[in-house]
Amino acid sequence: DAGVIQSPRHEVTEMGQEVTLRCKPISGHDYLFWYRQTMMRGLELLIYFNNNVPIDDSGMPEDRFSAKMPNASFSTLKIQPSEPRDSAVYFCASSLRTGVRNQPQHFGDGTRLSIL
Amino acid sequence: QKEVEQNSGPLSVPEGAIASLNCTYSDRVSQSFFWYRQYSGKSPELIMSIYSNGDKEDGRFTAQLNKASQYVSLLIRDSQPSDSATYLCAVSGQRGSNYQLIWGAGTKLIIKP
Repeated sequence: DAGVIQSPRHEVTEMGQEVTLRCKPISGHDYLFWYRQTMMRGLELLIYFNNNVPIDDSGMPEDRFSAKMPNASFSTLKIQPSEPRDSAVYFCASSLRTGVRNQPQHFGDGTRLSIL
Repeated sequence: QKEVEQNSGPLSVPEGAIASLNCTYSDRVSQSFFWYRQYSGKSPELIMSIYSNGDKEDGRFTAQLNKASQYVSLLIRDSQPSDSATYLCAVSGQRGSNYQLIWGAGTKLIIKP
């Protein structure tokens, strides 16, 4: 079975450029999560979707960040304009239902983003 | 106070010994608990999930949950060098009307041959 698929695996770009990260969740999973991981701050939840609808975007750091999920099999995380402090590894994860009794989340391989 | 706390380590354990990793959490209503392993440069990988008090065993791994004391632990028996990684504890927690996983900062485990 295919896992969560993220692209690109690596992205190096200059400050001020637009960056788009992509994610395909596991088929049948109705929750999709975007995380950012850095040495200093660990794993941070940015936003998550249920049935393609954003549920909680309180972790999105600034208006420069936006995320969409146009259908059940695709999501994007966009940074515009990008800044050096956005450099991190960005993970997408998906799961079946969440709630009081959460189901485990399954992670993609991540996108290592470097903003010069 | 952090919501999910783990000792950052590194925890050094000789090969063949038992590695014990601990996690405490603050939300008394949490009902789902997960251990993930993350190798350097890789993504978190689910090892164990546990929902009820007591022990749950899967091969060399045993998860232990004590809701009264609000801790969850992971034991790795017969530790191997390939077990060297960072282990993340994740606990379900409520944010407003929604439930999310709250993540610990991870414990770095080093298995010495």
